[in-house]
Amino acid sequence: DAGVTQSPTHLIKTRGQHVTLRCSPISGHKSVSWYQQVLGQGPQFIFQYYEKEERGRGNFPDRFSARQFPNYSSELNVNALLLGDSALYLCASSLGPGGEETQYFGPGTRLLVL
Amino acid sequence: AQRVTQPEKLLSVFKGAPVELKCNYSYSGSPELFWYVQYSRQRLQLLLRHISRESIKGFTADLNKGETSFHLKKPFAQEEDSAMYYCVVVIYNQGGKLIFGQGTELSVKP
Repeated sequence: DAGVTQSPTHLIKTRGQHVTLRCSPISGHKSVSWYQQVLGQGPQFIFQYYEKEERGRGNFPDRFSARQFPNYSSELNVNALLLGDSALYLCASSLGPGGEETQYFGPGTRLLVL
Repeated sequence: AQRVTQPEKLLSVFKGAPVELKCNYSYSGSPELFWYVQYSRQRLQLLLRHISRESIKGFTADLNKGETSFHLKKPFAQEEDSAMYYCVVVIYNQGGKLIFGQGTELSVKP
């Protein structure tokens, strides 16, 4: 298993645009979480999805949305991009929804907003 | 509000020296704590969790509820321990949400 995969690896957008980031979990994992990591900071929780339902949401504006598909892959969407959205976006998968499950992280998508 | 504080952004030690990476947390419930590590050009990965009370790569961490601390320790640092270390609190009633500290970069010099 290649582990958690994310696409694209990096991209550049301009303010006001929309972006979609993709994540494929480890085979058998039904939970996907998204994190934003700004340079010099620890990752910050955005969303968790389990069995295609939102199970947790962090303190992010409504411009951020996500969904999980029947195959447990997930998309993170960000509308009306701001300069401050420039960050590394991490996806993590786990077997179940609980925090006791080890989360396995992907390599991240680096987003630059100009 | 739940918060994790790692007071040192950078910790530099010599090989063979003891290492202690500090972590303090604020959480109203009964916490579940982890240390995650990111080696150069690798993914973020779990190092250890307090509930299992295990030693991984020579590292241990003790949860001190009185001091709300979960410091990571190793008696003799190795060069391969150089990495970014994150202290993490799990929030169970919010879908297993992880709250990360800001991270401490450990540099072990030969």
